[in-house]
Amino acid sequence: DVKVTQSSRYLVKRTGEKVFLECVQDMDHENMFWYRQDPGLGLRLIYFSYDVKMKEKGDIPEGYSVSREKKERFSLILESASTNQTSMYLCASSSPTLSGAGGYEQYFGPGTRLTVT
Amino acid sequence: AQTVTQSQPEMSVQEAETVTLSCTYDTSESNYYLFWYKQPPSRQMILVIRQEAYKQQNATENRFSVNFQKAAKSFSLKISDSQLGDTAMYFCAFMKPSGGSYIPTFGRGTSLIVHP
Repeated sequence: DVKVTQSSRYLVKRTGEKVFLECVQDMDHENMFWYRQDPGLGLRLIYFSYDVKMKEKGDIPEGYSVSREKKERFSLILESASTNQTSMYLCASSSPTLSGAGGYEQYFGPGTRLTVT
Repeated sequence: AQTVTQSQPEMSVQEAETVTLSCTYDTSESNYYLFWYKQPPSRQMILVIRQEAYKQQNATENRFSVNFQKAAKSFSLKISDSQLGDTAMYFCAFMKPSGGSYIPTFGRGTSLIVHP
């Protein structure tokens, strides 16, 4: 089974701190994604990556950056945390299905609930 | 821009009954994928069912089936014989091709409660 792990389930940080959220997947997936999930807003894409050292902005990249130095690891960085970044952060990975039909099913990590005070 | 609309923020159903969750999307693409994901309380998001846009036949996975109406841009999820374990947030997702991959857009979710 594919496993996507995130470094912390719960995190509390102070305003202005630099925050690192780590995500690791063990299935050699090419694509990795960072989302934030807020009640009533669903999942919103922050950044994604097609391959090592590649990154693309999603719908809400402001205030965030990412790093992908190794294929299995995708990090989300909050350069200077603010209270409006308090949220649940979900990481996901995907790859074409083995059947070749594509589809890019996403495999999600358990999420990190970040509170910025 | 692609949008995905789930018009039912909350729904409830009695155990063993059938419930349908609605999803509509807006796109000019012809090649794309549609998904329903389930997020149980305090648990990880998992895939429920997938539909390729080029396939006319509606996807089914055991008690879960979809009604895919491409012209109407509608993708509803039907859950038959509802079980208590179906209580969860359900998200509809649209994925369009971009570069070497597919880019996702999620709806805002429908909270489903199954009552005993």
